[in-house]
Amino acid sequence: SQQGEEDPQALSIQEGENATMNCSYKTSINNLQWYRQNSGRGLVHLILIRSNEREKHSGRLRVTLDTSKKSSSLLITASRAADTASYFCAIGGEYGNKLVFGAGTILRVKS
Amino acid sequence: DGGITQSPKYLFRKEGQNVTLSCEQNLNHDAMYWYRQDPGQGLRLIYYSQIVNDFQKGDIAEGYSVSREKKESFPLTVTSAQKNPTAFYLCASSFVTGQRTGEQFFGPGTRLTVL
Repeated sequence: SQQGEEDPQALSIQEGENATMNCSYKTSINNLQWYRQNSGRGLVHLILIRSNEREKHSGRLRVTLDTSKKSSSLLITASRAADTASYFCAIGGEYGNKLVFGAGTILRVKS
Repeated sequence: DGGITQSPKYLFRKEGQNVTLSCEQNLNHDAMYWYRQDPGQGLRLIYYSQIVNDFQKGDIAEGYSVSREKKESFPLTVTSAQKNPTAFYLCASSFVTGQRTGEQFFGPGTRLTVL
């Protein structure tokens, strides 16, 4: 299966600390995406990293991709209470126009 | 104001009834998707469509049906054949770039409860 497996399942940190979430997958990919979901809401796209890229930044977000290890990480720096949400990785396969989502990491940032 | 909308926000269904969830987008996206999300889990793909009048089954299509008569609209019908339909349903859309999936834009979701 291409499904991303995320680690940890849940993470609780203090405001101002950094949060790191990991995603592993099993097959070759075209891209890997990260999404955020606030409780009871739709998902919001955060960042897309292509298979030929190793690192990407967007504001306080940093995503890395290691295709040799079939893994990606999402780092949120200087976390805020508003970052409290579920974070999902989604695998864009080499073939076909669809994504496969992981089970997500629940992040809680305490103020 | 561009975006993707879903209605209703909450839906209650009696066992044995079919219900239809609405999804509309004005982003001029070619592709549209329906996902199901169960508590504490990720999203599972039900159906997707890359062009009007064409759609493909996802991983959990049994008990569901869709139509794509207009580019802007992709309604999902949950039929009585779906054994456990209580879930949060999310619709998404995206541009189609070759055969590669780019960023998907999500609606706010419909929470379906079977009574």
